Amino acid sequence: GNSVTQMEGPVTLSEEAFLTINCTYTATGYPSLFWYVQYPGEGLQLLLKATKADDKGSNKGFEATYRKETTSFHLEKGSVQVSDSAVYFCARPNAGGTSYGKLTFGQGTILTVHP
Amino acid sequence: GAVVSQHPSRVICKSGTSVKIECRSLDFQATTMFWYRQFPKQSLMLMATSNEGSKATYEQGVEKDKFLINHASLTLSTLTVTSAHPEDSSFYICSAAAEEEQFFGPGTRLTVL
Repeated sequence: GNSVTQMEGPVTLSEEAFLTINCTYTATGYPSLFWYVQYPGEGLQLLLKATKADDKGSNKGFEATYRKETTSFHLEKGSVQVSDSAVYFCARPNAGGTSYGKLTFGQGTILTVHP
Repeated sequence: GAVVSQHPSRVICKSGTSVKIECRSLDFQATTMFWYRQFPKQSLMLMATSNEGSKATYEQGVEKDKFLINHASLTLSTLTVTSAHPEDSSFYICSAAAEEEQFFGPGTRLTVL
């Protein structure tokens, strides 16, 4: 099947703390993997992606490595900012390896960063 | 990156009325668009896949007569919530597919009184 399991939140951190949000997926082939971010009151934005095993996606200080051994795509950032407060979604395509098919989303993790 | 707009961003209507939400891809053509529904503090639930020039494909449990989808052109898909009721109040988000990515609209907050 196609499922994505995310670490439950909410996550509350102080500014400059290290962030990890866990994400694992069911291993149906080698799908592309995505992290989306949703700021309050807005739609989703693609944060980063990886299209094959061992790829590392990165953007705005966030990183995630596609690990097929553990079927994981954990999101990390070394030093979070207040502006990173948002909801983060891990996602994978339902079929095929490209995202213009349907996406399956994790349940979302709410991140709040305090000054 | 590609831009997707939604209109309106927020709408309040009376129970029993119909509401139309537009989703436009502003700088690219999208043969496929998706409509999602999101409840507070929850993930996105795919409602339907909108295909230009053909009927939409609805997910299981989504009433196609209640949520009418029209994809009249390569840049516009509309979702009409017919005879809206308070339980239809939600955040509706569309996305447009282009190459290997989906680009999301900013969402429409629907409140039915």
